[in-house]
Parts: sequence; structure tokens; C-alpha cells
Amino acid sequence: EPEVTQTPSHQVTQMGQEVILRCVPISNHLYFYWYRQILGQKVEFLVSFYNNEISEKSEIFDDQFSVERPDGSNFTLKIRSTKLEDSAMYFCASSLLEQETQYFGPGTRLLVL
Amino acid sequence: GENVEQHPSTLSVQEGDSAVIKCTYSDSASNYFPWYKQELGKRPQLIIDIRSNVGEKKDQRIAVTLNKTAKHFSLHITETQPEDSAVYFCGGGDDKIIFGKGTRLHILP
Repeated sequence: EPEVTQTPSHQVTQMGQEVILRCVPISNHLYFYWYRQILGQKVEFLVSFYNNEISEKSEIFDDQFSVERPDGSNFTLKIRSTKLEDSAMYFCASSLLEQETQYFGPGTRLLVL
Repeated sequence: GENVEQHPSTLSVQEGDSAVIKCTYSDSASNYFPWYKQELGKRPQLIIDIRSNVGEKKDQRIAVTLNKTAKHFSLHITETQPEDSAVYFCGGGDDKIIFGKGTRLHILP
């Protein structure tokens, strides 16, 4: 069964550094999402992406964040200048259509020191 | 803003008994309500979902009910088993999903 994949599984970075988290959504899916989960807390929506543009974003997704679909398979989340509070598990998800099942990737655990 | 409230935060039930988790949502435009199960250190996995044109849906031991008028929906797990122990998140939305804070379910032997 096709799965969403994410790399790296873990990322440690210094505060102020840029990080890029990578995702490969399920191949025929059209909608892509990023969520984050701070340790022990709920999963929080960051951004949704469709037809090569952001369709919705949350208050968390400020100017430090950006998303891109650089080619036909990858979907990336960039944090321009990381802060301590960006430490979390970042999940990518994809769905075939809007209001369809969102399949989550295994996550990237980001630690900002 | 949009919000999804989930109760209880922790639930312990005897193996074989039923578990019920309840959620309420604030956004009347929400049309899609998934439930995810997350085991420790793993990704959330969809276990069941319901859309606003349906009041109830069942899949083996799992059922979900939706009351759109009251803006609440519930997850029911019957004949609970040890492998049901996990954190369960309800969600509501259409494009984006707003998740509840999660319920940690413990199945007691």
C-alpha cells in the first residue's frame, strides 16, 4: 500500500539556522498538508497546499515558514530561521481530494538547540 | 476561531468493556470529522471518519456518531482489547483539520 514518506526522521539544528523538511506524498494525491506536534500535545495544522499554491494556513505558519513543491514528487517545508519553540514533530500528509482521508507520514522530529 | 474540544483527556476501561470519547466543534462549516489513533512514537493513523451528511458510521468494533445541530461527535469502541491502548484524536474541518487535544486510552487487563 502506498505511504507518505518523510526525510530526515530526525533533525538537530542550531537556533537561527534554516531547515528544510522533505516529504514525498502518495503519488496520485492532489492535496498536501503540514502539521506539527509538540511533544505530548495535540497535532496542529500548519498549511495546506493544492494546485501549486497555499490554500490555507494557520497563525503558526508565519513569514519564517514556506512550502514548495519543487518537482512532481517532493513537498517541502522550510523554516528560515529556527527558534527554540519550533522543536516538534512535523508531519506531512496528503489526500486524493478535499475532505478525503489524509494519510500521514512518519514525521520528522526537529530539535532546535 | 475554530476549535475542537475533546473529552476525556484520559480514559481507562477494563478489557472487553466499551470506551466512548466525545468531541465538540465550533465551526459550523465543518463537514468532515476524522478520528486518528496514534501509538507512542508513531504517526497518526485514520481509524474512521464521518461526513456531515451522515449521522452514524460503523466499522466492526468502532462506531462514530455525529450530531450536526449540537456540533458534537463521538467515538465508540466496543469489546476493547489491549491493542486499543493509544492516544485518539478527533478532528473537524473541511480542507484543514483542527484536532482535539487527544484522549489517552488505557485498556486494563
